Amino acid sequence: EIVLTQSPGTLSLSPGERATLSCRASQSVSSSYLAWYQQKPGQAPRLLIYGASSRATGIPDRFSGSGSGTDFTLTISRLEPEDFAVYYCQQYGSSQYTFGQGTKLEIK
Amino acid sequence: EVQLVESGGGLVKPGGSLRLSCAASGFTFSSYSMNWVRQAPGKGLEWVSSISSSSSYIYYADSVKGRFTISRDNAKNSLYLQMNSLRAEDTAVYYCARAHTAAAVLDYWGQGTLVTVSS
Repeated sequence: EIVLTQSPGTLSLSPGERATLSCRASQSVSSSYLAWYQQKPGQAPRLLIYGASSRATGIPDRFSGSGSGTDFTLTISRLEPEDFAVYYCQQYGSSQYTFGQGTKLEIK
Repeated sequence: EVQLVESGGGLVKPGGSLRLSCAASGFTFSSYSMNWVRQAPGKGLEWVSSISSSSSYIYYADSVKGRFTISRDNAKNSLYLQMNSLRAEDTAVYYCARAHTAAAVLDYWGQGTLVTVSS
């Protein structure tokens, strides 16, 4: 089973700053099967990025994904107040989905 | 507009059973694989089970295998999760989620239903 490890656990930044979130896999992951989600308190997760770098419908272009193999990154170029939330990476393999433990992006 | 609405959650004693439902609308339900994902209070996301569009392929997480059963009724645009032999560690918000047709991601999620297993 592939394990996804996200870092940092918590990231404290100010609006307008750039955020870089990391997701590392215990073994190589197909880029086609790597995604990122955003979750705000009391809400369901929302798909942000799929295929490692493709933005989902309606996602602003300040969100971007990159990476391959075992190292993937979600970048938010310029933080807006509504971006402070928990972010999860996810991979698909062996007919099941695996999520990272999440990175909490909080206002500094 | 795609909508997924879960129901059936509640308080149940350890060893008990519960059946969750997910009503889908706004898309051709019979064309999509569907999933259940859960989130324990204050914890991260855990995939529970998936079912293909025609119910031909069904998969479970090891943590629920043998206790939970996923099913669907395409005529009723509904997804189900029968949960038996419930344990305290099954306490969570349960989300139903649609799988994207071309990518192995979950592109739409319901708002979730809370299952609490406690004596």
